[in-house]
Amino acid sequence: AQKITQTQPGMFVQEKEAVTLDCTYDTSDPSYGLFWYKQPSSGEMIFLIYQGSYDQQNATEGRYSLNFQKARKSANLVISASQLGDSAMYFCAVYMDSNYQLIWGAGTKLIIKP
Amino acid sequence: NAGVMQNPRHLVRRRGQEARLRCSPMKGHSHVYWYRQLPEEGLKFMVYLQKENIIDESGMPKERFSAEFPKEGPSILRIQQVVRGDSAAYFCASSSRGNIGNTIYFGEGSWLTVV
Repeated sequence: AQKITQTQPGMFVQEKEAVTLDCTYDTSDPSYGLFWYKQPSSGEMIFLIYQGSYDQQNATEGRYSLNFQKARKSANLVISASQLGDSAMYFCAVYMDSNYQLIWGAGTKLIIKP
Repeated sequence: NAGVMQNPRHLVRRRGQEARLRCSPMKGHSHVYWYRQLPEEGLKFMVYLQKENIIDESGMPKERFSAEFPKEGPSILRIQQVVRGDSAAYFCASSSRGNIGNTIYFGEGSWLTVV
């Protein structure tokens, strides 16, 4: 069965520092996609970044980048120059082309300190 | 161009009542997914529907839960005889195709509280 692991239940980071949120996944599917979402205290699920398993380059979206290491089955999210508004829950999810489901990690609670 | 619309945003039900959650997908999307998020957890897949068809309901509890996506109108997730354990956030997502790639969009969620 597919599985997503986020090993950091919570993190405190000083404002303006870079942050790396860990995510490892377990799948035998050759084709899959990796997602990161942000869930602030208001509850909505905000899409941040996507990486396809066949993409050669790591995805970037503004201050977000995905450190994709396919052989290690790792897809860490890097947030550069953190801001107070980055405080939220962050979820990693993987989608396999063989089924229709996004499999989600348990999330990491990120708190940015001023 | 409206996104995925869910309503109600918050719903309170007494034990034994019925809960109906509605989801209107993005314009042009015919694939709808429902996910449930229990407190302090990630989302869990419940069901995948296309217009008038249930494609995969492997994540849906066998009893009390049902989902539909009629030809006209929103997708409905129905929970009969709710219990305290049904209290959760229910997210709907839509896509224009089954193989979503990066084209899946989530609604803002519906929070069900059973008292």
